Amino acid sequence: DVKVTQSSRYLVKRTGEKVFLECVQDMDHENMFWYRQDPGLGLRLIYFSYDVKMKEKGDIPEGYSVSREKKERFSLILESASTNQTSMYLCASSSTSKSGTGNTGELFFGEGSRLTVL
Amino acid sequence: GENVEQHPSTLSVQEGDSAVIKCTYSDSASNYFPWYKQELGKGPQLIIDIRSNVGEKKDQRIAVTLNKTAKHFSLHITETQPEDSAVYFCAATTYNFNKFYFGSGTKLNVKP
Repeated sequence: DVKVTQSSRYLVKRTGEKVFLECVQDMDHENMFWYRQDPGLGLRLIYFSYDVKMKEKGDIPEGYSVSREKKERFSLILESASTNQTSMYLCASSSTSKSGTGNTGELFFGEGSRLTVL
Repeated sequence: GENVEQHPSTLSVQEGDSAVIKCTYSDSASNYFPWYKQELGKGPQLIIDIRSNVGEKKDQRIAVTLNKTAKHFSLHITETQPEDSAVYFCAATTYNFNKFYFGSGTKLNVKP
C-alpha cells in the first residue's frame, strides 16, 4: 500500500520559533509537494520538488523554505513562525513515470500536519 | 496562472439523492482534471479524473463531465450514501503534473 507519512499530526509553536515539518514517501516518486489547506481557500501550493536537491516555488512560498536531500524525504521549514502560518499542511508525492496509457499524475497525500502558532 | 473556482461550498442532500459539484477553470492549456475526496482527519484521495480529450467518464456511482469550450467540469454522484460525506476538491493541471490548481472545496453532507 502506498504511503506518505508526515511526522507530526499536531504541533503548537510560538511566534518566532523555527519549525520543521517532515514528510517521507515509500513509493520512489520523483515529485513531492507541500500544500497549505485553509477553509474556503482550498489547497495552495507552497513548494514542490521534482528531484533530489531540486525545488521550485509554488503560489505562496513567502515565509517558507524546503529541503530535499533524499528522494524519499521532503521537509518544509518555517524559519520564523508567525500566527498567520497557523494552518493545515499537506505533503503529497507523485510519479512522472509513464506506464500504460501514460502518466497518471495522481497525487498521494499524507494525513496532514496541523500547526498552531501562538 | 490558472484559477479554479468551485461551487457550492457546502451541499446537503438526502441519502439516495444525487449531488453535483461544479468547477470552472481559466487556463485553456489545462488538460487534466482530477477530483479528490477528503474524509475527516485524512489527506485527500483521488476518486476520478478526466483528460481533455474526453467529455465524460463514469465509475460506478460517480461521473465527471468536461466542457472544454466553456472551461467547466462537474462531479456527479448518484444514489448518495452517508459514506459519501466528505470534502471534495476539483483541480486542474497540464500534462507536466507539476502544478495542480485546486478549487476551494465542497463540503458534502449526506443525511441518512
